[in-house]
Amino acid sequence: EAEVAQSPRYKITEKSQAVAFWCDPISGHATLYWYRQILGQGPELLVQFQDESVVDDSQLPKDRFSAERLKGVDSTLKIQPAELGDSAMYLCASTNTDARGKKTQYFGPGTRLLVL
Amino acid sequence: AQRVTQPEKLLSVFKGAPVELKCNYSYSGSPELFWYVQYSRQRLQLLLRHISRESIKGFTADLNKGETSFHLKKPFAQEEDSAMYYCALSGYGATNKLIFGTGTLLAVQP
Repeated sequence: EAEVAQSPRYKITEKSQAVAFWCDPISGHATLYWYRQILGQGPELLVQFQDESVVDDSQLPKDRFSAERLKGVDSTLKIQPAELGDSAMYLCASTNTDARGKKTQYFGPGTRLLVL
Repeated sequence: AQRVTQPEKLLSVFKGAPVELKCNYSYSGSPELFWYVQYSRQRLQLLLRHISRESIKGFTADLNKGETSFHLKKPFAQEEDSAMYYCALSGYGATNKLIFGTGTLLAVQP
């Protein structure tokens, strides 16, 4: 069964350094999401892509975060410079639409970031 | 404001006992409601959605628009139900992002 892939699974970095996360959605899924999950909270959307276009980045801290999906397939999320408060789990999800028009988000395993 | 509230961080029950995980929401309009589950060392996955009106692994959830609630229920808990459960809502449209609650950890004791 196809799954959303993410790498790395874990990342430790020092504050002010740059970090990048990669996501490969399920083949054929046009919509891709990046969520951030702080410990003890639910995931919160950072950015949503439809193919290669950004649909919603209203919660993305654009002074330090950037996201791209150049060919409308895989995606990269970057943080530069990283801050202590960025320590969290970063989840990628992709969506399909079934024959009845229902959309289901499938999540990757996440990248756990620790900023020291 | 769009919000999902799960008042319990932890719910501990004995095997065979009934389970009810509470979820209340705030949304201007008619959202779609979901329950997602995360078992230990596994990824977040969809458990059920309100429009399907189905029972998955013995769990059901009824949308109560008057009380803006979407509680998850199971009559007889099993040890394998132990997991983190997240209630979430989505609007209809292009930006069908999920808005999650803070989650409830269900611990089923033997």
